[in-house]
Amino acid sequence: EAGVAQSPRYKIIEKRQSVAFWCNPISGHATLYWYQQILGQGPKLLIQFQNNGVVDDSQLPKDRFSAERLKGVDSTLKIQPAKLEDSAVYLCASSLWAGRNTGELFFGEGSRLTVL
Amino acid sequence: DAKTTQPPSMDCAEGRAANLPCNHSTISGNEYVYWYRQIHSQGPQYIIHGLKNNETNEMASLIITEDRKSSTLILPHATLRDTAVYYCIVSKGGTSYGKLTFGQGTILTVHP
Repeated sequence: EAGVAQSPRYKIIEKRQSVAFWCNPISGHATLYWYQQILGQGPKLLIQFQNNGVVDDSQLPKDRFSAERLKGVDSTLKIQPAKLEDSAVYLCASSLWAGRNTGELFFGEGSRLTVL
Repeated sequence: DAKTTQPPSMDCAEGRAANLPCNHSTISGNEYVYWYRQIHSQGPQYIIHGLKNNETNEMASLIITEDRKSSTLILPHATLRDTAVYYCIVSKGGTSYGKLTFGQGTILTVHP
């Protein structure tokens, strides 16, 4: 079974530039999550989608971050303009329907962003 | 979601059992205990979860105290590949499922 795919794995940009990360969840997984992991810390949830609708985006800095999941499958997370403090690993995860507590999120390997 | 407290680091000899404790004294009745681990440069990996009863799967066992205020993750025969950061998380199910609040976790080092 293919896992959660993310790209790019690494990205280096200057501050105030923009960047986009792509995620393809496991086939059939209705719920998709984006987490941000700053070096030395645990991951922090940014946004949760159920199919193509947003369930929770309370911790997404909406002045610069945006995310979409137009067809309920893959998703894009964008940062514009980037700040130095956005340097982190952006992790995508997926799970079966959130209403069924299967207990397991499947994470991708992450996209490491460095903002100079 | 309830907060958890874990030791920052632990060591274990290869082949021995690794017992990772977690305190979650403010857990509420509808919150589950989850364990994930993160090997260097990889995304977190689900290990096990439970509500009240002890649980076991092919990776580990989860022992939850009767008052549910603490739990222990047991890796029965640790290998070098089990070296990772282990996160204990408490979270509600239902539509809140997946909103996992990760703390600092415990860095487990398995040595030969």
